[in-house]
Amino acid sequence: QAVVTQEPSLTVSPGGTVTLTCGSSTGTVTSGHRPHWFQQKPGQVPRTLIYDTSNKHFWTPARFSGSLLGGKAALTLSGAQPEDEAEYSCLLSYSGPWVFGGGTKLTVL
Amino acid sequence: EVQLVESGGGLVQPGGSLRLSCAASGFTFSSFWMTWVRQAPGKGLEWVANVKQDGSVKYYADSVKGRFTISRDNAKNSLYLQMNSLRAEDTAVYSCVGGAAADYWGQGTLVTVSS
Repeated sequence: QAVVTQEPSLTVSPGGTVTLTCGSSTGTVTSGHRPHWFQQKPGQVPRTLIYDTSNKHFWTPARFSGSLLGGKAALTLSGAQPEDEAEYSCLLSYSGPWVFGGGTKLTVL
Repeated sequence: EVQLVESGGGLVQPGGSLRLSCAASGFTFSSFWMTWVRQAPGKGLEWVANVKQDGSVKYYADSVKGRFTISRDNAKNSLYLQMNSLRAEDTAVYSCVGGAAADYWGQGTLVTVSS
């Protein structure tokens, strides 16, 4: 099965902008991989922030956006808040089977 | 209110078996693919298996293929995971996931494989 790669850790300043990426060992990530992004805080269940590349749930703060960038899926946080400190995981679908990335620990500092 | 409640976890010896259940409510269970996801202590999320709405199509991670079986009972709004030949590396919290965009997650049930 494919391997999905994410940055292990990133740091962003409060109010700053950061982009997390999600790559596939099989090549370019496309909308057909239906990229999803999940946020997980310690002791909590993951919640979906972005689905199908760029769609948001009603609970997704406007400062989060999803896109395809340079052959990868990307999650951009514009105007980081302290409460955005969390683990972010991407998910790619390979026509049925899923693969999660290893997760990015985002620090807001 | 959407609820996914897992049960059936526990301590099992290597080589043993467990059957996990997930009771769903608050949404049209039969309309969605359902998924099992696991998370080992201090590790990231790992997809385990998917099952189509009518149970006719199933996919498994290579790490569990041939040992785990996913199934569902739409009449009971329930999802199952039969786990055989368990290994230490299967130790994790197992969660059921559903919805059109993996919107719904259960709290999970802990499976510990140890002698």
